[in-house]
Amino acid sequence: EPEVTQTPSHQVTQMGQEVILRCVPISNHLYFYWYRQILGQKVEFLVSFYNNEISEKSEIFDDQFSVERPDGSNFTLKIRSTKLEDSAMYFCASRGPDRALNEQFFGPGTRLTVL
Amino acid sequence: AQSVAQPEDQVNVAEGNPLTVKCTYSVSGNPYLFWYVQYPNRGLQFLLKYITGDNLVKGSYGFEAEFNKSQTSFHLKKPSALVSDSALYFCAVRDTNTGFQKLVFGTGTRLLVSP
Repeated sequence: EPEVTQTPSHQVTQMGQEVILRCVPISNHLYFYWYRQILGQKVEFLVSFYNNEISEKSEIFDDQFSVERPDGSNFTLKIRSTKLEDSAMYFCASRGPDRALNEQFFGPGTRLTVL
Repeated sequence: AQSVAQPEDQVNVAEGNPLTVKCTYSVSGNPYLFWYVQYPNRGLQFLLKYITGDNLVKGSYGFEAEFNKSQTSFHLKKPSALVSDSALYFCAVRDTNTGFQKLVFGTGTRLLVSP
């Protein structure tokens, strides 16, 4: 069964450093998302991406964040200058082209720890 | 704005007993509702969804959910709990304000099934 994959599973970085979180969505999917979950809190939407551009972003997704689909398979989230409060589990998700199939499929997540 | 509420942080049930995990929603327009499960160190796994049609929705691993419009609820149920069902369960609603279908999650309910 196809699945969303994410690398790395755990990233530790120093405050102020840049990090890139990588995701490989399901191959025929067209809609891509990043969510995050701060420890003990609920899952929050960050950004959605379709047709090679951001379609929607939350107020969390400020200028420090960017997303890219550099090739036909990878979908990346970059944080330019990490802050302590960026420590969280980051989930990538993708959704297929059929608008009637609404469910998103999530990857296993990347745990980001900012020291 | 769309939202879901999960009033219980934790639900405890003995193996073999029926389980219910509660979710209520607030939406403008027709609700598109989902349940996801998160096992330790794993991503969010889709369980089931309600889009339209029968109020009783069947999903993966023997779970089902009952949509109740008058009570604005979408409770997750299983007739006979297994120890392996112990996990974190999230209710979510699709945001219909845009076409890109971001999910809005509840705070999650931890299910503990004792042997």
